[in-house]
Amino acid sequence: DAGVIQSPRHEVTEMGQEVTLRCKPISGHDYLFWYRQTMMRGLELLIYFNNNVPIDDSGMPEDRFSAKMPNASFSTLKIQPSEPRDSAVYFCASSHIGHEQYFGPGTRLTVT
Amino acid sequence: AQSVTQPDIHITVSEGASLELRCNYSYGATPYLFWYVQSPGQGLQLLLKYFSGDTLVQGIKGFEAEFKRSQSSFNLRKPSVHWSDAAEYFCAVGSNSGGYQKVTFGTGTKLQVIP
Repeated sequence: DAGVIQSPRHEVTEMGQEVTLRCKPISGHDYLFWYRQTMMRGLELLIYFNNNVPIDDSGMPEDRFSAKMPNASFSTLKIQPSEPRDSAVYFCASSHIGHEQYFGPGTRLTVT
Repeated sequence: AQSVTQPDIHITVSEGASLELRCNYSYGATPYLFWYVQSPGQGLQLLLKYFSGDTLVQGIKGFEAEFKRSQSSFNLRKPSVHWSDAAEYFCAVGSNSGGYQKVTFGTGTKLQVIP
């Protein structure tokens, strides 16, 4: 398997623009997680899905953030409008029930 | 609530020396424990995991960790460090909640390896 795939790997955008991050989980995994990593706050869980259904979005920082999982092989994390403080590395991870999480390579987002 | 403490933010060791990275957790029942490694610009890679059974767990790249319930610890060890081991290491604790593993990550320990 190719592992968890994320795109783009790097994104530079201007404040106020919409940003969409994409993730393809490992085939057969029924859980998908979105994390954000910054120097100040470390690794934070934003939201997770089980069988394409959002279960816990309590980590989503604001209404500007939204996530969808239209099918078992694709998820998006959208920020609209983006702000400089959203600059971070965003990771997608997936797992099978009761097992460890596998992480993608991350998307480094820079908002200027 | 579960939590993880990695008391060392940064550690420097000489190549060939032994390594021990500390991890303490807080959780009411028997936890699931993990160590992940993150190389610069990369995602987190699972080194090893403890779910049950033998408290000494072997992982990839020559790493091992020992679960000590009495000390609430899960320290990571390697007998001889290689320059390629320079990375950031994350300890994590998981709990089973309706099949989902709620995983809490520590703040990480950055390992520097000097010649």
